[in-house]
Amino acid sequence: DIQMTQSPSSLSASVGDRVTITCRASQSIYTYVNWYQQRPGKAPKLLIYAASSLQSGVTSRFSGSGSGTEFTLTINSLQPEDFAVYFCQQSHTIPWTFGQGTEVEIK
Amino acid sequence: QLQLQESGPGLVKPSETLSLTCIVSGGSISSNSYYWGWIRQPPGKGLEWVGSIYYSGSANYNPSLKSRVNMFVDTSKNHFSLKLTSVTAADTAVYYCAIRISMVRGISQWYYFDYWGQGTLVTVSS
Repeated sequence: DIQMTQSPSSLSASVGDRVTITCRASQSIYTYVNWYQQRPGKAPKLLIYAASSLQSGVTSRFSGSGSGTEFTLTINSLQPEDFAVYFCQQSHTIPWTFGQGTEVEIK
Repeated sequence: QLQLQESGPGLVKPSETLSLTCIVSGGSISSNSYYWGWIRQPPGKGLEWVGSIYYSGSANYNPSLKSRVNMFVDTSKNHFSLKLTSVTAADTAVYYCAIRISMVRGISQWYYFDYWGQGTLVTVSS
């Protein structure tokens, strides 16, 4: 299975900050990475697909980049509704696998 | 607008079979655009893909569960189902149904999960 490792596992940030989350794959997965946001008690919500494509309806404060084995999710000007857990997921090889999650907390 | 809703028992005894159904509304399960999937999340932990199925019945399962999992599509009822046999406490999780979307650009095809159900907690306990 392809392992997806996120860093950091958690971070504290303030409203208005710029936040970057990294996801590393155990082998090259080109741009087959998606990013999801999960608020407490809710289902995950797709933010970014194909490493850098913004899902329809998602604010442009979110952006994704990377290819091969290293990927980043950036949140510009952090807003109160952005405090959540973020997961990366690879769609290169079955079984699809997720990172362990990054919790973004309010400082 | 596609909507998904999971249903099934919230408590299953060890060694028995977990059975869940995902009801699809706002669209047809017979669409050739989607695969229908299950993803689970143990309490306080990360996400695990369980498997995905096409309306024709063609399915992919996570190898870690393959010997115990089966999925079905019922086009007449517009729903799909998950069965997981011989459950243990390790199968306790929130189970989500979701739609796997494929996007084609040139010769490449990307997949992602969109339109999720709200999730249902299944606890395995005697």
